[in-house]
Amino acid sequence: GAGVSQSPSNKVTEKGKDVELRCDPISGHTALYWYRQSLGQGLEFLIYFQGNSAPDKSGLPSDRFSAERTGGSVSTLTIQRTQQEDSAVYLCASSTQVGATIDTQYFGPGTRLTVL
Amino acid sequence: QKEVEQDPGPLSVPEGAIVSLNCTYSNSAFQYFMWYRQYSRKGPELLMYTYSSGNKEDGRFTAQVDKSSKYISLFIRDSQPSDSATYLCAMSALYGNAGKSTFGDGTTLTVKP
Repeated sequence: GAGVSQSPSNKVTEKGKDVELRCDPISGHTALYWYRQSLGQGLEFLIYFQGNSAPDKSGLPSDRFSAERTGGSVSTLTIQRTQQEDSAVYLCASSTQVGATIDTQYFGPGTRLTVL
Repeated sequence: QKEVEQDPGPLSVPEGAIVSLNCTYSNSAFQYFMWYRQYSRKGPELLMYTYSSGNKEDGRFTAQVDKSSKYISLFIRDSQPSDSATYLCAMSALYGNAGKSTFGDGTTLTVKP
């Protein structure tokens, strides 16, 4: 079946502009995660959703970052007034449910964001 | 100090070599230990996971966890050029922590034919 998809695959924007990144999880997966991966770094947790609610927003770097999920499916990560330090690959993952014995997360290919 | 530290590499080995990838951690709440493989410009894919201490083998891959030392390893036997990728360790606490994983920074492995 289809995996996690993300769009756009690449986004180049100017400093100060807003961007929206989209994630389509695997059908039926109730949990959805956003991570950020800077060059040569590991994954930095941003936010997760269980259904449409986001119990843990602790990883969002600043109030310029927000995310929503509608219909328990598609999620959008929005970055307002982008800064150069926001340049990174933004990865989305989904899993069957939060808190399962082992929460196997399936990752999308990521959106590579470049802020000029 | 980061919760999870991973040997940075890069690592370059000849085909057929045994590879050892390692991570240490500081959070004693971690119970689930995972290894992901990430090819260039792709998302990570789960290779193996283990729960608590012990070894787990899957083909050419062996994951080892030593909770007393807060140290985990991934061994790759008979390494192949197709194993060339970045390997990320990840850990999470018990149920109730939302399965949120804490990742190491990754080790880039190149296996030369």
